Amino acid sequence: DGGITQSPKYLFRKEGQNVTLSCEQNLNHDAMYWYRQDPGQGLRLIYYSQIVNDFQKGDIAEGYSVSREKKESFPLTVTSAQKNPTAFYLCASSLRDLTEAFFGQGTRLTVV
Amino acid sequence: QKEVEQNSGPLSVPEGAIASLNCTYSDRGSQSFFWYRQYSGKSPELIMSIYSNGDKEDGRFTAQLNKASQYVSLLIRDSQPSDSPTYLCAVNPGNQFYFGTGTSLTVIP
Repeated sequence: DGGITQSPKYLFRKEGQNVTLSCEQNLNHDAMYWYRQDPGQGLRLIYYSQIVNDFQKGDIAEGYSVSREKKESFPLTVTSAQKNPTAFYLCASSLRDLTEAFFGQGTRLTVV
Repeated sequence: QKEVEQNSGPLSVPEGAIASLNCTYSDRGSQSFFWYRQYSGKSPELIMSIYSNGDKEDGRFTAQLNKASQYVSLLIRDSQPSDSPTYLCAVNPGNQFYFGTGTSLTVIP
């Protein structure tokens, strides 16, 4: 069954810790994206990647890092430099630049 | 200026009526356009994509695109209470997706 899998669904982080959010897709999509959504707000782009070993910063990349070592995987690390990390994080993928994007189920990160 | 703008609503329509959601975008080079729905606490689900001017119909949904006026709309016919999530408009000018903040729809039984 093809799709995008994000894990974990819920994540709690202590202040000062780095955490990594997993995103895996088996759709053979070239492009992958990470978005952040805050309550009552739209999706804001953190990072995106159109090809393995290459990625670009989005509008709010500060305090985040990514890697794209495999086509199927695009993990996001939320570093301690991210001052307000509590949010709903969404991973998406698309076959090519202009085709529709499909989303994983999301990871809800809370700083405790 | 925001890339994609939507009326946040809430938009209320009676059950069985036509719901009309609108979206405008700023980048004239945008080439692909999408409508998603998002239930509270869940991730967005794709409803429709549209790439050329005119109408595209899929079941009870019709997407309309007017590139000259830079707007895209979504019509939902025979609205049902289950059609009451938030609707997100997305635009792709070439290498990433820009999302509106969404329009909340309430279908009143």
